[in-house]
Amino acid sequence: EAQVTQNPRYLITVTGKKLTVTCSQNMNHEYMSWYRQDPGLGLRQIYYSMNVEVTDKGDVPEGYKVSRKEKRNFPLILESPSPNQTSLYFCASSLSADSRTEAFFGQGTRLTVV
Amino acid sequence: GESVGLHLPTLSVQEGDNSIINCAYSNSASDYFIWYKQESGKGPQFIIDIRSNMDKRQGQRVTVLLNKTVKHLSLQIAATQPGDSAVYFCAENRINFNKFYFGSGTKLNVKP
Repeated sequence: EAQVTQNPRYLITVTGKKLTVTCSQNMNHEYMSWYRQDPGLGLRQIYYSMNVEVTDKGDVPEGYKVSRKEKRNFPLILESPSPNQTSLYFCASSLSADSRTEAFFGQGTRLTVV
Repeated sequence: GESVGLHLPTLSVQEGDNSIINCAYSNSASDYFIWYKQESGKGPQFIIDIRSNMDKRQGQRVTVLLNKTVKHLSLQIAATQPGDSAVYFCAENRINFNKFYFGSGTKLNVKP
């Protein structure tokens, strides 16, 4: 089954404790991205990757890092999480590097930073 | 700044009626638009897309209309069903820009 898998689904952590949210897709997609979803603000793009070793900032990259060492994986790293990073996070992938194709989203990761 | 917004945060319709969800965008350079559906507890799901060289595109029970003059697009759902209850987002993208900008969403409630 074609899917985007995020882990964990739920995470509660403390301020400053490094964490990684994993994202994996099994569709051989080139384009992957991370979003955060906050009430009243919709989905905001954090980082995206057009292919292996090619990443770029989205709209709200501060406090986040990503890597794309393999085509299927695109982890989101919070080196020193803060309470304002409490949010619902989604990973997405799409076939084409020009991103004008259907995007598949993961189920989401609800992160709480206390 | 750029904005992609929705006119109505909540829309309630009777089962069987047609639904229309609206979206306004501010950047005239936007040339690709997508509608997503997000059910409770799930990630957004692609519904339909449209490029700026089109005014209308139809899918199964859904139609997207694009009015570039007033920078407005709409999603029409025919014969709305309870399974259509969800939050609907529009997103826009500009050529040579690989970022997507999403609206804040409209919640569609379908009354039986």
